[in-house]
Amino acid sequence: EAGVTQFPSHSVIEKGQTVTLRCDPISGHDNLYWYRRVMGKEIKFLLHFVKESKQDESGMPNNRFLAERTGGTYSTLKVQPAELEDSGVYFCASSQVGQLTDTQYFGPGTRLTVL
Amino acid sequence: GDSVTQMEGPVTLSEEAFLTINCTYTATGYPSLFWYVQYPGEGLQLLLKATKADDKGSNKGFEATYRKETTSFHLEKGSVQVSDSAVYFCALNYGGSQGNLIFGKGTKLSVKP
Repeated sequence: EAGVTQFPSHSVIEKGQTVTLRCDPISGHDNLYWYRRVMGKEIKFLLHFVKESKQDESGMPNNRFLAERTGGTYSTLKVQPAELEDSGVYFCASSQVGQLTDTQYFGPGTRLTVL
Repeated sequence: GDSVTQMEGPVTLSEEAFLTINCTYTATGYPSLFWYVQYPGEGLQLLLKATKADDKGSNKGFEATYRKETTSFHLEKGSVQVSDSAVYFCALNYGGSQGNLIFGKGTKLSVKP
């Protein structure tokens, strides 16, 4: 069974540009989470999808971030326009719905550098 | 709000040494507790978890016990190996619609031969 995959693995862009990150969850996992780790800080929750619906987006830092999960399969996270403080590693995780304590399976992350 | 505090690293040990990484939490409810590990160049992997007080999670020689009275979930291993070198993250969540994980800052462990 394939794990959670993320693309690209690295992205280097200039301030003001747009970047789109993609996450493919484990097949059959309805829960999909986005997290971010800024250098030296904790891994922070961004948002949570259940299928194609946003269950919780309380962690999204501002309206420059837009997440979608059309069709309830893969998800994209767009940053537009990117700022210097958006640099960090963006993780995606997925889990099955219905378990009291969903074990989340993480992807390898996308390292975003904004210059 | 809820939070997780874990000991600052880096931690450097010799092979076969005993490992303890402290983790304490602040929670408004009764969360599940997790240890995740990130090996160099890889994503986070679940190492172990415990879902209620006094539960002990264990995997690959690592153990952690959910202590409600001290709000702790310390990670221990009796004899570390070079291959255990990684970053370890303590985390909590409530599952279901509150499934987002709340992480500590991570502790980098280096094991020397």
